[in-house]
Amino acid sequence: SQQGEEDPQALSIQEGENATMNCSYKTSINNLQWYRQNSGRGLVHLILIRSNEREKHSGRLRVTLDTSKKSSSLLITASRAADTASYFCAIQANDYKLSFGAGTTVTVRA
Amino acid sequence: SQTIHQWPATLVQPVGSPLSLECTVEGTSNPNLYWYRQAAGRGLQLLFYSVGIGQISSEVPQNLSASRPQDRQFILSSKKLLLSDSGFYLCAWSPPAGGHFLYGYTFGSGTRLTVV
Repeated sequence: SQQGEEDPQALSIQEGENATMNCSYKTSINNLQWYRQNSGRGLVHLILIRSNEREKHSGRLRVTLDTSKKSSSLLITASRAADTASYFCAIQANDYKLSFGAGTTVTVRA
Repeated sequence: SQTIHQWPATLVQPVGSPLSLECTVEGTSNPNLYWYRQAAGRGLQLLFYSVGIGQISSEVPQNLSASRPQDRQFILSSKKLLLSDSGFYLCAWSPPAGGHFLYGYTFGSGTRLTVV
């Protein structure tokens, strides 16, 4: 399938700790994107990393991309209670379709 | 700035009834528009996308249809709902002319549809 697959499915961490989640995919991509979804809400775009990029930062977020291994990781540093959400990776090949994985549910404990 | 509106937020419909969900985008022209469905605890499934007025591409064969009567309006419809149509429906847009390769998608707040 063309979609990304996240690992782990769920993650529980203490406030202040770092959270790392991974995404694997099977096809060639134009870019890979990460989104956050709070319970029952729409998705919010976090970061887009192109296939010729290896690392990207945005605030407390760090995304890496290894196209040779067809994998990406999202690191959230110094987590906060507000980071509790589901995180999805999405891959985009050279067309209009953005294909999502099943997501990683992150719970940040106070 | 660009905004996306999606309504209604929740909907309970009986099996066999029609459906119409509407999505509008403000502050941009000729956006690419998308309808996704999310089953409980799952990822998003692309249902339809449109790159212009009257241009609809369907990704999943089913009893749903989509229309784009105006540049910034995208409608998801069904003539007769099935139980399996229950889910969380999300509309999204991306910039035109290759902008979808450079920027992320902007999603609406979603419609929770329960078919009973």
